[in-house]
Amino acid sequence: DGGITQSPKYLFRKEGQNVTLSCEQNLNHDAMYWYRQDPGQGLRLIYYSQIVNDFQKGDIAEGYSVSREKKESFPLTVTSAQKNPTAFYLCASKGTRSGTEAFFGQGTRLTVV
Amino acid sequence: GQNIDQPTEMTATEGAIVQINCTYQTSGFNGLFWYQQHAGEAPTFLSYNVLDGLEEKGRFSSFLSRSKGYSYLLLKELQMKDSASYLCAVETNAGKSTFGDGTTLTVKP
Repeated sequence: DGGITQSPKYLFRKEGQNVTLSCEQNLNHDAMYWYRQDPGQGLRLIYYSQIVNDFQKGDIAEGYSVSREKKESFPLTVTSAQKNPTAFYLCASKGTRSGTEAFFGQGTRLTVV
Repeated sequence: GQNIDQPTEMTATEGAIVQINCTYQTSGFNGLFWYQQHAGEAPTFLSYNVLDGLEEKGRFSSFLSRSKGYSYLLLKELQMKDSASYLCAVETNAGKSTFGDGTTLTVKP
């Protein structure tokens, strides 16, 4: 079955530690996205990638980093520079043809203690 | 930049009709999506509008006016399971989708 998988679903980390969130898709989509969602709010774009080995900053990229070495994979690293990392993180992929909808992973809820 | 506005919360009664509005200001507009998101879950696709007019899909319909920067999602014959957040998202010709903060709909018996 085709889909997009994020892992883990829940993640706890100590303050000051870097942490990497996994996102894998087998939908053969060129474009992948990372969003952050805080309680009662919409999705804010962190980073996005339209093609392998290329990515762009979104609206809230500070304190985050990504890589896109393979079409299927778009991991997100939350670094110690991110001041308030506790949030719900959503990964999405979509085809590059205009109007195709995004498919989302189940999300990773990161809690920094 | 982009600016997307939706009402924060709405309440409606089971069996009724509700309209959720979305206004936007953006450059390079390509189209507008509506997604549904239940609490703690990922958003799921509802509709896409690129041309002016109404797109109907079962109990859900979505309308777009590009000249007015306005869209709405119409939900008919409301069911309890329709209680969720509804997210408006604008797609630009740069390939980005920017989301509004979402409208939390509560359906009451």
